[in-house]
Amino acid sequence: LAKTTQPISMDSYEGQEVNITCSHNNIATNDYITWYQQFPSQGPRFIIQGYKTKVTNEVASLFIPADRKSSTLSLPRVSLSDTAVYYCLVGDRNSGNTPLVFGKGTRLSVIA
Amino acid sequence: EPEVTQTPSHQVTQMGQEVILRCVPISNHLYFYWYRQILGQKVEFLVSFYNNEISEKSEIFDDQFSVERPDGSNFTLKIRSTKLEDSAMYFCASRRDRGPNQPQHFGDGTRLSIL
Repeated sequence: LAKTTQPISMDSYEGQEVNITCSHNNIATNDYITWYQQFPSQGPRFIIQGYKTKVTNEVASLFIPADRKSSTLSLPRVSLSDTAVYYCLVGDRNSGNTPLVFGKGTRLSVIA
Repeated sequence: EPEVTQTPSHQVTQMGQEVILRCVPISNHLYFYWYRQILGQKVEFLVSFYNNEISEKSEIFDDQFSVERPDGSNFTLKIRSTKLEDSAMYFCASRRDRGPNQPQHFGDGTRLSIL
């Protein structure tokens, strides 16, 4: 399983765009990149997933460069309710049984 | 939007007692998982379950743990003789299929407190 590295914490003001970068230098060909969000005392919540280039949904965008050794989660115009821990995970796109391996994540604090 | 539901939300048990944590995965999902998170620590994988059998398990999932899908909807985690170090949040997750773009969806967990 590819190891991921992301900042331990980030602070942002409300209304700003937040970019959280994750490095995964030994990502494998079959691996896809998934981001989860976790609020205190709640389960991880799926945000976005991608394999290459750019993916956008109603919550976030995910930018993946051509070499796929890193990825950036972009949260537009954050609000106080976006304060949470964000996890970058890398795993085999075709395997149903491979468990998710969570790191410590990035603790995002949004300030008014 | 369909979601994974877990009961109870909080379970307090005496050390040495058996506990069963219950989960109702999303209805058309085929893969099921249990994870745990000790307070202040990372989310850790326990076990995955597919086609009515365990697919993969971690070192944490020892003989004290078992999983079962007793009917078409519930997925349970049993701890036979609880220890103090079993105190944690336990999360159930499910996944529809093994193909790409099929993320695991998590419930909000059961907080297990062992006294």
